[in-house]
Amino acid sequence: GESVGLHLPTLSVQEGDNSIINCAYSNSASDYFIWYKQESGKGPQFIIDIRSNMDKRQGQRVTVLLNKTVKHLSLQIAATQPGDSAVYFCAENPRRQAGTALIFGKGTTLSVSS
Amino acid sequence: GAVVSQHPSRVICKSGTSVKIECRSLDFQATTMFWYRQFPKQSLMLMATSNEGSKATYEQGVEKDKFLINHASLTLSTLTVTSAHPEDSSFYICSARDRTGKGYSNQPQHFGDGTRLSIL
Repeated sequence: GESVGLHLPTLSVQEGDNSIINCAYSNSASDYFIWYKQESGKGPQFIIDIRSNMDKRQGQRVTVLLNKTVKHLSLQIAATQPGDSAVYFCAENPRRQAGTALIFGKGTTLSVSS
Repeated sequence: GAVVSQHPSRVICKSGTSVKIECRSLDFQATTMFWYRQFPKQSLMLMATSNEGSKATYEQGVEKDKFLINHASLTLSTLTVTSAHPEDSSFYICSARDRTGKGYSNQPQHFGDGTRLSIL
C-alpha cells in the first residue's frame, strides 16, 4: 500500500552540528506534509509543515525541503541541541480535507551528544 | 498549554478488564478525532476516525467490537478497549481536528499525550 517511510531509523550527532532527517513518500496524491517530534512517553509535537506547491519552508532552526520529483522530504535542524533528542516522524495528508487522517512514516531516532 | 487532553495517562489492569480512554479538545471544537496505536519503537498506526454524532470509521484489521469509540460531543471522544488482553498493551494516542477544517493555530491536528495501557 501507499505509505510514508524514513530512510534511517537512527541518527547520532554532536551538539552544534546540523542534522538532516530524510523521508520518502510514495503517494503522489499527497499535497501536505508535516514533521513531528515525539519525546518518550508523549504524543507527537508539531514542528513544521509544507504544502505541495512549495519546495522549501523555514522555521526557527528548522527547514523542511520537499522534492516532488523523487517524492522526498527532509527536515534540517540547525545547531542541534541535546533537547532535540527525540523520535522524528514525517506524516502526509493525502487530501487536506476535514476528516482525513495523517499517515505516519516509520520514524528516525535522533540522539544528540554533548 | 495543551489543546488536547487525554486521560488517563497510564493504566495497568488485569486481563479481561475493559478500559476507557478519554480524549478532550480544550480550546476548540472538533468534529473529527482520530485514534492511533503505537507499539514500542514503531510508528503511529491509525485505528479509527471518530466523527461527532455518527459511527466511527475503523481501519482494516481493527475490531470495532473490541475498540468501542464514542464521539458524543464536539469536545469529547472516548475509546473503550473491551475485555483487554496482554496483546492490547500499547500506547494509545488521540488527535483532534478543528471543526472549521482550517486547523487551530494553523496545525492540521492536535495530539494528546497518549495513554500507556498495560494489561497483565
